[in-house]
Amino acid sequence: DADVTQTPRNRITKTGKRIMLECSQTKGHDRMYWYRQDPGLGLRLIYYSFDVKDINKGEISDGYSVSRQAQAKFSLSLESAIPNQTALYFCATSDLTLDQPQHFGDGTRLSIL
Amino acid sequence: AQKITQTQPGMFVQEKEAVTLDCTYDTSDPSYGLFWYKQPSSGEMIFLIYQGSYDQQNATEGRYSLNFQKARKSANLVISASQLGDSAMYFCAMREGSSYKLIFGSGTRLLVRP
Repeated sequence: DADVTQTPRNRITKTGKRIMLECSQTKGHDRMYWYRQDPGLGLRLIYYSFDVKDINKGEISDGYSVSRQAQAKFSLSLESAIPNQTALYFCATSDLTLDQPQHFGDGTRLSIL
Repeated sequence: AQKITQTQPGMFVQEKEAVTLDCTYDTSDPSYGLFWYKQPSSGEMIFLIYQGSYDQQNATEGRYSLNFQKARKSANLVISASQLGDSAMYFCAMREGSSYKLIFGSGTRLLVRP
């Protein structure tokens, strides 16, 4: 089983719909992150959380919200989806050590029509 | 100014040859870390190698090594003995100071020719 699991893996929806992307992890990490990837661009940070009570905006948080339901679960919501939010979304986790890498889920491919 | 620059959008390499993927970075913080990730066509992000700013030696992990030139602010990834399975997007990323956030470059697409 994957250490970082994202659901759904693919989603097609319409403009204006509310969407939730879910992430769960079995790595026991405190830190969790949401990124989006657009063609030709690297990953950009949307939100990050250092524990259940600590949630922070990233580089591109407008139009998104998050919820850290438990240490192992971090959800990303699009309250009213728009076409330019079509992208590949990644959840990642890391432990307390700065020189350790972030571990990524397999991504959610989201298309908004 | 971009924090992480990968100037090669795409590259070819012949199977079994070595290839260098360029990465330059910009930071004024003396403490930072540099990561390389591989993204195959299936989409997942795979961690390859890490270099800390205070590390005395260049990082190596199997066929991957990092050519770290601190004065030039470059951290190029070297893949030796390329294999067909190395065909993928490669991303360089940086964290600064005590931040856990990663800043990514735009990536380099590598195609290994048989």
